[in-house]
Parts: sequence; C-alpha cells; structure tokens
Amino acid sequence: AQSVTQLGSHVSVSEGALVLLRCNYSSSVPPYLFWYVQYPNQGLQLLLKYTSAATLVKGINGFEAEFKKSETSFHLTKPSAHMSDAAEYFCAVSDQQGGKLIFGQGTELSVKP
Amino acid sequence: GAGVSQSPSNKVTEKGKDVELRCDPISGHTALYWYRQSLGQGLEFLIYFQGNSAPDKSGLPSDRFSAERTGGSVSTLTIQRTQQEDSAVYLCASSLAYSEQYFGPGTRLTVT
Repeated sequence: AQSVTQLGSHVSVSEGALVLLRCNYSSSVPPYLFWYVQYPNQGLQLLLKYTSAATLVKGINGFEAEFKKSETSFHLTKPSAHMSDAAEYFCAVSDQQGGKLIFGQGTELSVKP
Repeated sequence: GAGVSQSPSNKVTEKGKDVELRCDPISGHTALYWYRQSLGQGLEFLIYFQGNSAPDKSGLPSDRFSAERTGGSVSTLTIQRTQQEDSAVYLCASSLAYSEQYFGPGTRLTVT
C-alpha cells in the first residue's frame, strides 16, 4: 500500500525566506509523486510532478522538489517566499501515471511580512 | 479552455436525505476521479473512471455512496441516506489518459 507523510501541519516563514515543506512516501513500486497547492475556497492546482525522469523537478511559481529514493523523500522548496505563497500544500503519490492519488495530510504555509 | 466544473457549489441537506453531486470534466478528458476532503480525514480517494473500463470503486466508504459516468463525460456522485459524517468538500478531477489530474472547485456538503 502507498502512503504519504507530510511533516508539519503548519509552517510559518518570513517573506523572502526559504520555504521547505517536507514529504516522505511509502510505495512498493516506483512512485509517481506530486505537489498540489490549494488556496482558500479553491480547488487543487498542480505545482509539479515527478514521473521517473529528472530527480530535480521544477514547477510553477518558482517551486521545485527533489526526488531522493534513498530517503523516500520528495521535499518542496522555494528560495524566497512571497506573501502570495500562503496556502495549503499537499504531497501525493500514485502507483501509475493517471492513477488514483494518495494524499498527505497537508501543510499550511503562512508567510509573515 | 473551460476547466472542471462542479455543481452545486454548496449543498445543505437533512440527515437521511439523498443527494446528487455533479461533475463536468474538461472536454476530451478520458479519466474522471472523485475525492473527499474533510477536517478529520484529509483528502481521500473515492472512485475513478478511465474510459470504458470498470471503475475503481475501492475508496467508496460505504454502499450508500455510488457514482456513474454517462457517455464518458458528466459524472454524478450519489450519497443515499446522508449522515453527518458525510459532511465534507467533494472534489472532482479529470485527466487525459495517464496524465496529471485537474481539479474542480468542489461541492461543499453540509448534513444537518
């Protein structure tokens, strides 16, 4: 069975500081990994995805994530936080392209001025 | 082009009533998914349709929940005899085959 653990339900950073949101996965097959962002009262928007090509994946809005098989991790980073980055972020895993997604519990990111 | 749309955006119903939630996927998308988002359980997979294949119903929490997809396009999620624990945001997503999922804005269901 697959699962995702996001460390930290709430993360607070100052504007301009590094953003690091942690995600660890469990999968018995090579995983497909995703980060989604959810702004208040909106649906989920795909930030980036890992599908067994490059281990460093670049996404929208300056975010990137690195797949580390040895650590079963797929942490999300952004060098410099903007106020507009405040949202909830979800890491998800699937056992196939286009398959159902198993989500982590989410991390709420706050950005302080 | 138009994204995934869901209706209604909000639904309040009394315990024991049946409800139907509708999803209109992106035109041409062959796969359609339903998820549920609640405070206690987070984001949970419910059901997945891919083309003409039998749907993956492995996430449906009870036999009160069912879904159908007519003509390979619009989908309806039906909850019979609603319970308070069914209160949640129901999210629909669609995708091209073997591709990333695009989510709709959700239907917020409140069971009183």
